[in-house]
Amino acid sequence: KAGVTQTPRYLIKTRGQQVTLSCSPISGHRSVSWYQQTPGQGLQFLFEYFSETQRNKGNFPGRFSGRQFSNSRSEMNVSTLELGDSALYLCASSPARGPNSNTGELFFGEGSRLTVL
Amino acid sequence: AQTVTQSQPEMSVQEAETVTLSCTYDTSENNYYLFWYKQPPSRQMILVIRQEAYKQQNATENRFSVNFQKAAKSFSLKISDSQLGDTAMYFCAFMMEYGNKLVFGAGTILRVKS
Repeated sequence: KAGVTQTPRYLIKTRGQQVTLSCSPISGHRSVSWYQQTPGQGLQFLFEYFSETQRNKGNFPGRFSGRQFSNSRSEMNVSTLELGDSALYLCASSPARGPNSNTGELFFGEGSRLTVL
Repeated sequence: AQTVTQSQPEMSVQEAETVTLSCTYDTSENNYYLFWYKQPPSRQMILVIRQEAYKQQNATENRFSVNFQKAAKSFSLKISDSQLGDTAMYFCAFMMEYGNKLVFGAGTILRVKS
């Protein structure tokens, strides 16, 4: 079974531009969540999508947005990039959510490394 | 809000020896999950071990075991017979019973020396 796939793996943008990152979850997984990893702030939750609906959102400005498609693939977008947005963006997938099916384990991709100049 | 604290930024251990990584957390929830994730230099996060808060028995996975103290809100990871491949950043993480949001600690860099 293929793992979580994130594209692109590396990208460089300049301040003010926007960026779109893509995540393909493990086949059959319906929940996709996104995390930002920086040396200063560590790992921070961005948002979670399940069945094309945002279920949970972290404390990030509105410049950070996402969506999920009917095939569970997800994209996140960052508009008006700032230097502080330079980070490793991790996507994680899970089979489902809820008390009867939530074993809690998330499966992570290798991440997209964004550098903002 | 839940918080997770890892007080050891870096640790070293000799190959074949045992090391314990510390983690404390804060929550008012009664049912939740705790995890240790490993992030090797290749960056892909991998689950090491999982503990359900309603289970009193400490989880074990081969050379990895936890000491879960619910009342003290402590969740330490013990790695026995350390191997060079255990070198990585280790994150302690908390998840509420519902939903898939992980709250991570700052991480502990573990270096296994030959």
